[in-house]
Amino acid sequence: EDKVVQSPLSLVVHEGDTVTLNCSYEVTNFRSLLWYKQEKKAPTFLFMLTSSGIEKKSGRLSSILDKKELSSILNITATQTGDSAIYLCAVEGRDDKIIFGKGTRLHILP
Amino acid sequence: EAQVTQNPRYLITVTGKKLTVTCSQNMNHEYMSWYRQDPGLGLRQIYYSMNVEVTDKGDVPEGYKVSRKEKRNFPLILESPSPNQTSLYFCASSFNLYGGKLFFGSGTQLSVL
Repeated sequence: EDKVVQSPLSLVVHEGDTVTLNCSYEVTNFRSLLWYKQEKKAPTFLFMLTSSGIEKKSGRLSSILDKKELSSILNITATQTGDSAIYLCAVEGRDDKIIFGKGTRLHILP
Repeated sequence: EAQVTQNPRYLITVTGKKLTVTCSQNMNHEYMSWYRQDPGLGLRQIYYSMNVEVTDKGDVPEGYKVSRKEKRNFPLILESPSPNQTSLYFCASSFNLYGGKLFFGSGTQLSVL
């Protein structure tokens, strides 16, 4: 059965710290891996990683796909309170289905 | 403004009373999907649609119906809601699934008493 596992489930750090969120997957016919940030309600898109684009960066956020290890990490440097959110990892696989992990709840202390 | 619009935002109903949650997108997206989000379970796909008149079951389709009669609309129908369908529901759309990011609606918080 296809699955996406995120770790840790919850993380509390101080402002200014660097965090690394993990996502591992077992998905048939992998096509892409996406990261989303969910603050109050709707998830918003952060990155998409594919076989042809295994590393993405935007400001303090960056993400890498390791196709050999079937995993991805999301790094956030110099964290701010506005980074507090649930971070969701999703993988598109067989039958065009998108499977989401349960998310990592990140809380940044001022 | 490009967006996915869901209505209503909040809904409280009673067991067995049919309801419809509407979803509309103005981006001419091919792909639309419904998810429910529950604490500890994350986002789970209910149904999805790759094109008009084409719908497929996701991981948790039981108790739900959908239709895709036109490209922009993808309503979610609960014929006989039950308390275990109390959840936060999201509609999402994408230009195409492969290489396409999802745009989410604002969510519908449903409570079935």
